[in-house]
Amino acid sequence: GENVEQHPSTLSVQEGDSAVIKCTYSDSASNYFPWYKQELGKRPQLIIDIRSNVGEKKDQRIAVTLNKTAKHFSLHITETQPEDSAVYFCAATGYSSASKIIFGSGTRLSIRP
Amino acid sequence: GAGVSQTPSNKVTEKGKYVELRCDPISGHTALYWYRQSLGQGPEFLIYFQGTGAADDSGLPNDRFFAVRPEGSVSTLKIQRTERGDSAVYLCASSFNPINLNTGELFFGEGSRLTVL
Repeated sequence: GENVEQHPSTLSVQEGDSAVIKCTYSDSASNYFPWYKQELGKRPQLIIDIRSNVGEKKDQRIAVTLNKTAKHFSLHITETQPEDSAVYFCAATGYSSASKIIFGSGTRLSIRP
Repeated sequence: GAGVSQTPSNKVTEKGKYVELRCDPISGHTALYWYRQSLGQGPEFLIYFQGTGAADDSGLPNDRFFAVRPEGSVSTLKIQRTERGDSAVYLCASSFNPINLNTGELFFGEGSRLTVL
């Protein structure tokens, strides 16, 4: 079945700098890659997603890139702000079971003032 | 309701007891998912419903775990003979359509924190 690896597990960046979180997936048939943000004690919420027919997608300060050949995708946050501090999860669908979303283990992002 | 509702928010039980966790999805959402999240880990897939039927239950750890969605709305996750290792936050999520047809965004509930003593 699908397996998603996520790195790093923790990341600390200076406010205003960029943060990059990377994920790899195992099922080459996966076609949908969402990213979720979970603030302390809160529920995960979708922040951005990308489908396999595009290589990059941007939404203000966040962007996601996808390399299907290498089976990896990344989240980029620019001009980081204190409210970006949270745990971020990447995820991928296993195409053979179209709607089962498999999550990575998460990255705890801390923004230093 | 406005969002996904899960009850109870907290459940403390003794080893060997039976527990039920309830999820009330967003009205009109056909897909419903159960995940388990341990401290410092990502959500671990348990089971997915499309309507009343379990489309994929491959994540259920063993036969002590069972879930139902009899009318295609509210779902109940049932755990028999609980073990200490079952302690975790159980998250429910719903979406309007399967991923391959629509945005696929999952709307999560606040979770049910289960503690098995």
